[in-house]
Amino acid sequence: AQSVAQPEDQVNVAEGNPLTVKCTYSVSGNPYLFWYVQYPNRGLQFLLKYITGDNLVKGSYGFEAEFNKSQTSFHLKKPSALVSDSALYFCAAGRGGSYIPTFGRGTSLIVHP
Amino acid sequence: DGGITQSPKYLFRKEGQNVTLSCEQNLNHDAMYWYRQDPGQGLRLIYYSQIVNDFQKGDIAEGYSVSREKKESFPLTVTSAQKNPTAFYLCASSIGNPGSHNEQFFGPGTRLTVL
Repeated sequence: AQSVAQPEDQVNVAEGNPLTVKCTYSVSGNPYLFWYVQYPNRGLQFLLKYITGDNLVKGSYGFEAEFNKSQTSFHLKKPSALVSDSALYFCAAGRGGSYIPTFGRGTSLIVHP
Repeated sequence: DGGITQSPKYLFRKEGQNVTLSCEQNLNHDAMYWYRQDPGQGLRLIYYSQIVNDFQKGDIAEGYSVSREKKESFPLTVTSAQKNPTAFYLCASSIGNPGSHNEQFFGPGTRLTVL
């Protein structure tokens, strides 16, 4: 079975400060990892994904994520937070084949002016 | 929200009624999915489909039914057997097989409320 944990329900950060949203996963074999963002009453939007290769993945809106195999983590980061980054962030993990990616419970990011 | 549309945006249902949520995509994607979102529980997979006339149950299929008569359309029916249907429902699609490394494209969602 595969699972995803987002240990923080909410992350608060001041505008201009760096942000990190944490994600750990449990997947047999080589994982596929995704980050999505959801604004209120909207669908999810894809931010970035890791399949293979460079452990640092760059995505939309200045976000990046670092794959760490030994810690089974895929934390989302941004060097300088914007108030407009405030949203719900979901991590998802899969492993190919017939296994649909599993989503975490989501982390609410609040960026204070 | 890309090329996926969901309707209606808001839906109210009386107890004992079946209701159908529409999902249409013009992305030419093979795979389509239905998720249910509840506060604090993330996304839970209801059904998914890889090709026309074929679909598979997800983790919480009880009380729901789907059809895939056309590649572009994947409607979800919430039946009276679903005891707690009030939730936000999201439809998604992706290129290729459902378990591939391709990201999913999501519709704007339908908020269903049981009166």
